[in-house]
Amino acid sequence: GQNIDQPTEMTATEGAIVQINCTYQTSGFNGLFWYQQHAGEAPTFLSYNVLDGLEEKGRFSSFLSRSKGYSYLLLKELQMKDSASYLCAVRSNDYKLSFGAGTTVTVRA
Amino acid sequence: DTGVSQDPRHKITKRGQNVTFRCDPISEHNRLYWYRQTLGQGPEFLTYFQNEAQLEKSRLLSDRFSAERPKGSFSTLEIQRTEQGDSAMYLCASSWATGPNTEAFFGQGTRLTVV
Repeated sequence: GQNIDQPTEMTATEGAIVQINCTYQTSGFNGLFWYQQHAGEAPTFLSYNVLDGLEEKGRFSSFLSRSKGYSYLLLKELQMKDSASYLCAVRSNDYKLSFGAGTTVTVRA
Repeated sequence: DTGVSQDPRHKITKRGQNVTFRCDPISEHNRLYWYRQTLGQGPEFLTYFQNEAQLEKSRLLSDRFSAERPKGSFSTLEIQRTEQGDSAMYLCASSWATGPNTEAFFGQGTRLTVV
């Protein structure tokens, strides 16, 4: 099975950078995803890593180290609309997709 | 294609009643997932399908829960003899199984309240 850990809450100032860490243990790894979820809404896809390294998408970047079972999501130039829950999800070799509990990011003016 | 759609969006039911939810995935997506989410938690895996085949059902899921995807397109999730602990958001997601874009897309969910 999967064991996925991420911090519960983080707070940052508008314009700043925040890094959300995710550690995982899985019986077979086939990709790591980050999703954003605003309160009362469905999760929306942000990024995907299957190989080690950094994937950059505008203000958002995601990093993966498979040997360490570690990923992070980097949010740059924070905006108020970035206040949301960020979910780390791991896909196993049988394509089952499992989620962490989510990290609530609060952006303050 | 309008994305993943779920029906109903909200359901209030009395304890002991049966409820059924429907999910229409993005057309031609062959994988379909069901999750349950409670406040402050991430989506909890319930079950998933590859076409019409149910690949896994969570061990946390009691026998009161059943899901089907009879023709490999839409799916239904039924909860029998509902309990107050079943109150949650039920999310459906779909994805391609192979290819460069295999991320899962979520529907807006069905919010179940058992009174």
